[in-house]
Amino acid sequence: DIQMTQSPSSLSASVGDRVTITCRASQGIRNDLAWFQQRPGKAPKRLIYATSTLQSGVPSRFSGSGSGTEFTLTISSLQPEDFATYYCLQHNDYPRTFGQGTTVEIK
Amino acid sequence: EVQLLESGGGLVQPGGSLRLSCAVSGFSFTRYDMAWVRQAPGKGLDWVSSFTVSGDNTYYADSVKGRFTISRDSFKNTLYLQMNSLRADDTAIYYCAGGGHWGQGTLVTVSS
Repeated sequence: DIQMTQSPSSLSASVGDRVTITCRASQGIRNDLAWFQQRPGKAPKRLIYATSTLQSGVPSRFSGSGSGTEFTLTISSLQPEDFATYYCLQHNDYPRTFGQGTTVEIK
Repeated sequence: EVQLLESGGGLVQPGGSLRLSCAVSGFSFTRYDMAWVRQAPGKGLDWVSSFTVSGDNTYYADSVKGRFTISRDSFKNTLYLQMNSLRADDTAIYYCAGGGHWGQGTLVTVSS
C-alpha cells in the first residue's frame, strides 16, 4: 500500500500569512494527488486535483505543486475562512490513501 | 446543481447490517469513479471502497473486505454500500464522493 505522510499535523498562522503543507508518498504516484479542505462539522471539499489543477470556484490563493513522491499545498495569503483541516489523497493505486491531515489554526 | 445525498445510516448492534444509499443528481453518474469514504469521530479521512467506470471494477480497504459490498444502479443514479458483520470500529460518518463532489455524509453507529 502507498503511505502518505503529511506534515505538519497542525500549524498556527495569522490572516495574510503564507502557509505550506507537504505530503510525501512512500513510492512514486506521478501527479495523482488531490487536496481537500474540511471545515468543522462539514463534508470535505476538493480544492486541487492532478497535483496542481484548481477545482472550479476555488480561490486562486490556493495552489499545488510537486510530482513523484513530494507534493505541496500552498495558501498564498491566509483568509479567515481558510482555518480548517487539509488532507492529501493519492489516487494512483488502490487502496486509496489519505494523509493524516493538517489543522490550520488561528494564531 | 450537483447533489450527492446519502441515507441509510443509524444505530446498529455489533454483527448487524446496514445498507447506505447515495442518490446523485446534477452530473453524469456513470462518467466517474465513485467512492465511499468514512471518518470516525475526531479522526481523519479513511477510504472505504470504490466503483470504477472502466470495467465496473470494485475495490475495498482491507478493513472492510469480505464484509462490505459496493454497487450502483445506473438507472436510479444511486450508489450503494451494503455493510455486514458490523463492528464498533466501523462507527463513522460515511461520505459518498465522485467527480470531485461529496455528499454531506450519513452517520453509522455500531453499539450494543
